[in-house]
Amino acid sequence: GDSVTQMEGPVTLSEEAFLTINCTYTATGYPSLFWYVQYPGEGLQLLLKATKADDKGSNKGFEATYRKETTSFHLEKGSVQVSDSAVYFCALPRVTNAGKSTFGDGTTLTVKP
Amino acid sequence: DSGVTQTPKHLITATGQRVTLRCSPRSGDLSVYWYQQSLDQGLQFLIQYYNGEERAKGNILERFSAQQFPDLHSELNLSSLELGDSALYFCASSVGPAGHNEKLFFGSGTQLSVL
Repeated sequence: GDSVTQMEGPVTLSEEAFLTINCTYTATGYPSLFWYVQYPGEGLQLLLKATKADDKGSNKGFEATYRKETTSFHLEKGSVQVSDSAVYFCALPRVTNAGKSTFGDGTTLTVKP
Repeated sequence: DSGVTQTPKHLITATGQRVTLRCSPRSGDLSVYWYQQSLDQGLQFLIQYYNGEERAKGNILERFSAQQFPDLHSELNLSSLELGDSALYFCASSVGPAGHNEKLFFGSGTQLSVL
């Protein structure tokens, strides 16, 4: 069945460091792939998405490229800020026949000044 | 602001009790999803409704039930509460029935504490 495997955290970086959060997926067909972000005390919100292979989603300096050959959708940012501290979720945006909405386990990022 | 409204924001209750969580989806969205977020289990999908009908069921306990009303708001009922039910409960909504390639809009959650 469909699944998402996300890099375990937590991740602690200094400001202006490079960020990578790994995400790999297993899916039937060609789903879109999403990254959601959850800031402290808030609900999840869509950060970026890619709808087909080789698409690059980008937002707020974050990027992720849909790699069909490696079934990956890694999240990257060249220079993180303290305000990027949050929990990041990789997701297959659909509910499967098994009734499972596929989100990764979440990776907590803490950025220190 | 996602447009999804959840009430209450915080709920403190005792074991064995019953509570009701409420969700109003974004205007125009027909699907409502319920998720449970806890430190040890991450984000768990509970159930989805589309236009009043149950669409998909995930890891929802038999002690929990939900419904979506004609005005599209939804309620999640949790009964015979246990300490382990303490978690953050999120509601999300989307336009279509299957979440297929669709963006979900999340509410800010209800923090349930069972003492």
